[in-house]
Formats: sequence, structure tokens, C-alpha cells
Amino acid sequence: GESVGLHLPTLSVQEGDNSIINCAYSNSASDYFIWYKQESGKGPQFIIDIRSNMDKRQGQRVTVLLNKTVKHLSLQIAATQPGDSAVYFCAENSHNTDKLIFGTGTRLQVFP
Amino acid sequence: DVKVTQSSRYLVKRTGEKVFLECVQDMDHENMFWYRQDPGLGLRLIYFSYDVKMKEKGDIPEGYSVSREKKERFSLILESASTNQTSMYLCASSTGMAAKNIQYFGAGTRLSVL
Repeated sequence: GESVGLHLPTLSVQEGDNSIINCAYSNSASDYFIWYKQESGKGPQFIIDIRSNMDKRQGQRVTVLLNKTVKHLSLQIAATQPGDSAVYFCAENSHNTDKLIFGTGTRLQVFP
Repeated sequence: DVKVTQSSRYLVKRTGEKVFLECVQDMDHENMFWYRQDPGLGLRLIYFSYDVKMKEKGDIPEGYSVSREKKERFSLILESASTNQTSMYLCASSTGMAAKNIQYFGAGTRLSVL
């Protein structure tokens, strides 16, 4: 079927290397951020989140960095594996709404 | 684990048909959302609901309506399907606690309108 990622920026990394996926957000009032992973044929899955009172948060093999000064968010994946191949979305939220605003996504391709 | 279930993975409909997309969540979440996802456009919000029988328009509500008669179920309705509604449709739910707004998604329904 048609891929959701046909027109997406793509990051290609070698298996075992670290990956960094970047996201610029738009609303300076946003105070909560989420990274999602979407594999082909599946819905987005929650990976990690961070609040605006933090600069960095770590999970299992993933780290999210937040730079509020330049409104930039990044997702770092350590020791990238073939199973990490997917489209990655950032999402932002401000405290007075339950809605999320999603970025357009980045496709991560992992090659052996 | 949160489970959001969309009733169909693939649907093929004809122009002018009335189409129902069903979504059920099992975590007693207050909020439910319908998005469409198209290449290069990301996720666009169609409608969302904060509670039973409550609904609010998202960014692209034209041509769609929704129904939420029970807390766990949120239906998206295409009153008269058109070819430009061919897309991937994603349902999501969240707790409604503003402190933590993680949305949990279903697997999606790929709709083709011929």
C-alpha cells in the first residue's frame, strides 16, 4: 500500500550507530512534548515525553533533548537497530488544551 | 496496556456512500480523537470529543461528522464519501488530564473511495 512517508525527510544510519532526529516546534507556549514512532502499517506509538521544565530526559536507548530558546526538540537513539526503522513524529501541547500538534515526521532507515 | 481498536484495517467504498469508521478504547479515557494522515501532510485533526455526547471540530471537519454515545466508542461518519477522502484514518484516546496528554493510537483504517 501507499507509504505514509513518501515525501518525508529521511535519515539513513548504519546499524549500531547513534541516530539523531530533529524537530522544530512552533508555539513558545507549548510546555509538553512527545515523540512517537510509526512503523509501516501501524498507528503511532508513544516513545518518550518531556516537560518544558526539563532539558533532557532519558529512556531505554532513547534520549530527548529540549532547547526552549530556539524551540528545538531532538530524539537520540543509541545503537540503532533494524527494528528502529520507522517514521518518527514529534508532538507539542500547551497546558490549556488536550490537543497535540504533530510535526510532519522523519523517516529513519537503518542499513546493515 | 492501553488498547485502541479500529474496526477495520482496510475499506473500499464508492463515491456517495455513507461510511462509518468505528473506534473503541478500553482505558476509560475521557478524550477521543479522529485524524487523517496523508503523505507529506502529517496528522490532521478532524474531530475530537471530551466526553460522551460532546464533540468539537478539529482543523479539517468538512465532509465529516462524529458520534460519541458511549465513553469508550467514537465513530467517524462520512455522510457522502468522495475520492478526496481516500486516506489513512487514525483514532486516538487520552486521559484528559492536562498534566499528561499522551494520545494512544489505533492501528488505523486505510480507506479508498472509488
